[in-house]
Amino acid sequence: DTAVSQTPKYLVTQMGNDKSIKCEQNLGHDTMYWYKQDSKKFLKIMFSYNNKELIINETVPNRFSPKSPDKAHLNLHINSLELGDSAVYFCASSQEGGGVSYEQYFGPGTRLTVT
Amino acid sequence: QKEVEQDPGPLSVPEGAIVSLNCTYSNSAFQYFMWYRQYSRKGPELLMYTYSSGNKEDGRFTAQVDKSSKYISLFIRDSQPSDSATYLCAMEGDGSYDKVIFGPGTSLSVIP
Repeated sequence: DTAVSQTPKYLVTQMGNDKSIKCEQNLGHDTMYWYKQDSKKFLKIMFSYNNKELIINETVPNRFSPKSPDKAHLNLHINSLELGDSAVYFCASSQEGGGVSYEQYFGPGTRLTVT
Repeated sequence: QKEVEQDPGPLSVPEGAIVSLNCTYSNSAFQYFMWYRQYSRKGPELLMYTYSSGNKEDGRFTAQVDKSSKYISLFIRDSQPSDSATYLCAMEGDGSYDKVIFGPGTSLSVIP
């Protein structure tokens, strides 16, 4: 039973296109995240939602728009894709304990390639 | 100076060796210290976490935190080929909804 799932696993698209990545968690967690991992394996947070409310919004181009229809889902929509958007995008979830999220469960990642 | 620094490796050791992985950080507000393991083409998974300074042991793994030096370590005893992965240190303050900051990861290969 997959705890955090993402679709699609691979995404190859051309510059200028719009694409979405979906994430679902069945752990009953309150908080979900989107991370970007670049080619040097550096994992950087993009967004965080707690109970459908945006709580972390890093300096990310506004071409990236997260949407959380319910606390089990957090989707990422990207407009006007650029070459620099090529990376692996990870969804994660955690159960906050007093606002501390140290144990995060990650999905398998979506490998985005923009050509 | 980056908030969290980690030697990216790659680190290659023979099976059975003791492995030492380290991170340094600059933000004294960090209170929670984690080690994640990431296998190739998979998501990171939490290995261990410690709160504040001290040691924590779990099987072959020992995590150490020295807040006075802003230095954390992960030791792997009797390393196995299955330990071959990238190890990411991560840190978080204890404020509400502080973001977790990850190090760039160290790539480890354990050679049979």
